[in-house]
Amino acid sequence: NAGVTQTPKFRVLKTGQSMTLLCAQDMNHEYMYWYRQDPGMGLRLIHYSVGEGTTAKGEVPDGYNVSRLKKQNFLLGLESAAPSQTSVYFCASSYSPFTEAFFGQGTRLTVV
Amino acid sequence: GESVGLHLPTLSVQEGDNSIINCAYSNSASDYFIWYKQESGKGPQFIIDIRSNMDKRQGQRVTVLLNKTVKHLSLQIAATQPGDSAVYFCAESYNQGGKLIFGQGTELSVKP
Repeated sequence: NAGVTQTPKFRVLKTGQSMTLLCAQDMNHEYMYWYRQDPGMGLRLIHYSVGEGTTAKGEVPDGYNVSRLKKQNFLLGLESAAPSQTSVYFCASSYSPFTEAFFGQGTRLTVV
Repeated sequence: GESVGLHLPTLSVQEGDNSIINCAYSNSASDYFIWYKQESGKGPQFIIDIRSNMDKRQGQRVTVLLNKTVKHLSLQIAATQPGDSAVYFCAESYNQGGKLIFGQGTELSVKP
């Protein structure tokens, strides 16, 4: 099994551009999460989903949108990228709130 | 240790010693806790978890202790090895919300 796969792994955007990060999981998990991690800091929750067709705001949702049209995919969108969104983005999935979350390898995004 | 600015708390131990990493969690309603290990350039990996109806759980070389009275979690690593060098994060979750929230993290450095 591939587990959690993030696409792309690296991206450079210009300020104002838009992009979508894709997270795919093949474990039939209900819960999916998007985090950002800045240097020397922990992971901050952007948005999450508790099942297909649902999304909810996390700790730092501003400037991001998400969609969960299919159970296995969770998309993170940046409509108008800003330098403050330069970060490493991690996607994770879990079966329930009481089971471990599995993480992807991350997407390194630079906004110039 | 206390965090200052963007610097992670750091714990430095000698190979073979026991390590104790501490975490203060924020939500008294949290009922599931996880410790993750993150190596440089990789996504977090599950180490051990504990439910709120327990105060101790043991794994291979690792033990997690939970003190709900003071909202404190600790990870004990026995006979620490150089391969244990990484950043360690605690995370909390509660059934009613579905969020998985991470603490700041502690960098463990093991000296041979």
